[in-house]
Amino acid sequence: YELTQPSSVSVSPGQTARITCSGDVLTRKYVRWFQQRPGQAPVLIIYKDTERPSGMPERFSGSSSGTTVTLTISGAQVQDEADYYCYAAVDNNLLFGGGTKLTVL
Amino acid sequence: EVQLVESGGGLVKPGGSLRLSCAASGFTFSHYSMNWVRQAPGKGLEWVSSMTSNSDYVYDADSVKGRFTISRDNAKNSLFLQMDSLSVEDTAVYYCARGGNNSRYGEIDFWGRGTLVTVSS
Repeated sequence: YELTQPSSVSVSPGQTARITCSGDVLTRKYVRWFQQRPGQAPVLIIYKDTERPSGMPERFSGSSSGTTVTLTISGAQVQDEADYYCYAAVDNNLLFGGGTKLTVL
Repeated sequence: EVQLVESGGGLVKPGGSLRLSCAASGFTFSHYSMNWVRQAPGKGLEWVSSMTSNSDYVYDADSVKGRFTISRDNAKNSLFLQMDSLSVEDTAVYYCARGGNNSRYGEIDFWGRGTLVTVSS
């Protein structure tokens, strides 16, 4: 099983950033998204494809269609610059996408 | 406030052993499954090992099977990772990560800051 993400996405501040995660298994498994700022631990930003943890800004949203899930950051801010990882639990294995570096400048 | 604090990392020679610890606080540790996830320098996240809340099930990545052993002490709110037969490919920051209740180890929602393991001669 594999989860495929683009290696990088770049937007200007205030624009919408979209990061995709693709994999055949995503038709039957939920995805979580983690944000990892440089030198920091990952932080959960989306679970069950579309749900936001309490306190997570509304500009972070998730969607799912077939074998692709998408993380959308509406009105991206400079502090959103980070690595983003999709993740799914599949058949007793925990699977991470390769990560996407989001640049906001 | 949920806290996970890893310790035990350091420099070890190839073939050596190391034992990592994760001290948990701010939640009922015995109710939650727990995980170890690692990140090699400049690389992505890689799952290592998971254990259910009452230690009855363990799951390991193929890359560490037979070499790493996860364990926990619910009385001491602690998670451990015994790492044997280390190779340079095991060099990484090792994160302790909380899973969901009981057997829902895949529902990771909180991470510690990690501890660096360097395997080098």
